[in-house]
Amino acid sequence: ELKVEQNPLFLSMQEGKNYTIYCNYSTTSDRLYWYRQDPGKSLESLFVLLSNGAVKQEGRLMASLDTKARLSTLHITAAVHDLSATYFCAVDKSLQGGSEKLVFGKGTKLTVNP
Amino acid sequence: DTGVSQDPRHKITKRGQNVTFRCDPISEHNRLYWYRQTLGQGPEFLTYFQNEAQLEKSRLLSDRFSAERPKGSFSTLEIQRTEQGDSAMYLCASSVQGESYNEQFFGPGTRLTVL
Repeated sequence: ELKVEQNPLFLSMQEGKNYTIYCNYSTTSDRLYWYRQDPGKSLESLFVLLSNGAVKQEGRLMASLDTKARLSTLHITAAVHDLSATYFCAVDKSLQGGSEKLVFGKGTKLTVNP
Repeated sequence: DTGVSQDPRHKITKRGQNVTFRCDPISEHNRLYWYRQTLGQGPEFLTYFQNEAQLEKSRLLSDRFSAERPKGSFSTLEIQRTEQGDSAMYLCASSVQGESYNEQFFGPGTRLTVL
């Protein structure tokens, strides 16, 4: 069974600081997704990572994927208050002939303090 | 508006009542998914359709739950004889078959409260 673990689950950081969120998954998957969710809102797609060594950046967020380690990271640079949200990683197994469903981690609730 | 839409956005019902939710996917997307999200958790897969065919159902989808996508466009999710444990956010997502990846776009969700 595919499992996805994120850590930390809660992260409180000051504006201007850097931090990394980690996402580990249990079985082979070459497709990893990062989503953002604001309180009471739906999920917004941030990044799609498709291969080993993939790196994508958007503003202060950078995501990377190491398929051999089954690990993805979401790095936050010089955090600002607007980044406060819950961040989810998700994987699917469709390339391995498995399901099209996404399996999500529990999320990392990020709070950026002034 | 080209996003995924869901209706209603909020539903409060009494235990034992039936409820039905609707999802309209992005127009060119032929795949449609239902997920359930409870407080403090990530979304959990319920079921998915490719066009009008329901291709996978989760073990979470008890016999009280049924989903349809009769014409391959909008979908409905019905919960019969609701229980308090059904209280959650029900999320719909859609995607396009044929892409090299399965990026799913989510709707705003329907928040169900069972009293």
